[in-house]
Amino acid sequence: QKEVEQDPGPLSVPEGAIVSLNCTYSNSAFQYFMWYRQYSRKGPELLMYTYSSGNKEDGRFTAQVDKSSKYISLFIRDSQPSDSATYLCAMSPGGGQGAQKLVFGQGTRLTINP
Amino acid sequence: DAGVIQSPRHEVTEMGQEVTLRCKPISGHDYLFWYRQTMMRGLELLIYFNNNVPIDDSGMPEDRFSAKMPNASFSTLKIQPSEPRDSAVYFCASSSQGARRQPQHFGDGTRLSIL
Repeated sequence: QKEVEQDPGPLSVPEGAIVSLNCTYSNSAFQYFMWYRQYSRKGPELLMYTYSSGNKEDGRFTAQVDKSSKYISLFIRDSQPSDSATYLCAMSPGGGQGAQKLVFGQGTRLTINP
Repeated sequence: DAGVIQSPRHEVTEMGQEVTLRCKPISGHDYLFWYRQTMMRGLELLIYFNNNVPIDDSGMPEDRFSAKMPNASFSTLKIQPSEPRDSAVYFCASSSQGARRQPQHFGDGTRLSIL
């Protein structure tokens, strides 16, 4: 079993819809949680960065972390065609040199249809 | 500010040849990471450096792979000899940990094809 599980999709929704992307994980030592967006033929771009449990909002994007369930989510409101990309969750432990090692999900390919 | 810069963007070579990928991290960042991305395995960490010193190379697949960081502004990932199964996109990322931990920033990758 992988440390981080993410449904690879593909996921296709109409413009304006609310999108929900999720990851589950098995390592209870994970403390830092990130969402990266990757456009075709580009590098991953940091979208959201959270520490421990709770919610974080940035414009149309909301990240949620539920450490008790080992489950993280990314919500996109009022989705736009420009949001079409692959979304990768990533996480790492809280301390020591091992804290630098990110573990990525497989990525979910999202398409927003005009 | 310039981001992480990788070169070349694309590399096509024949099996058995030596391949060298290059990375310039963001100025002031003290951590540098090399990743490999494939459809089958996703994004995998190969090796990372702190202050130019390799910290963890447990992700390096074989002895054919080697990485160096001779100074704070340059790193190389070398494959010798290359094999078709090394075909992938290789990313370099950097971060600054300092007093407040910062996330990793990625370059746009090198798309490597071994024929």
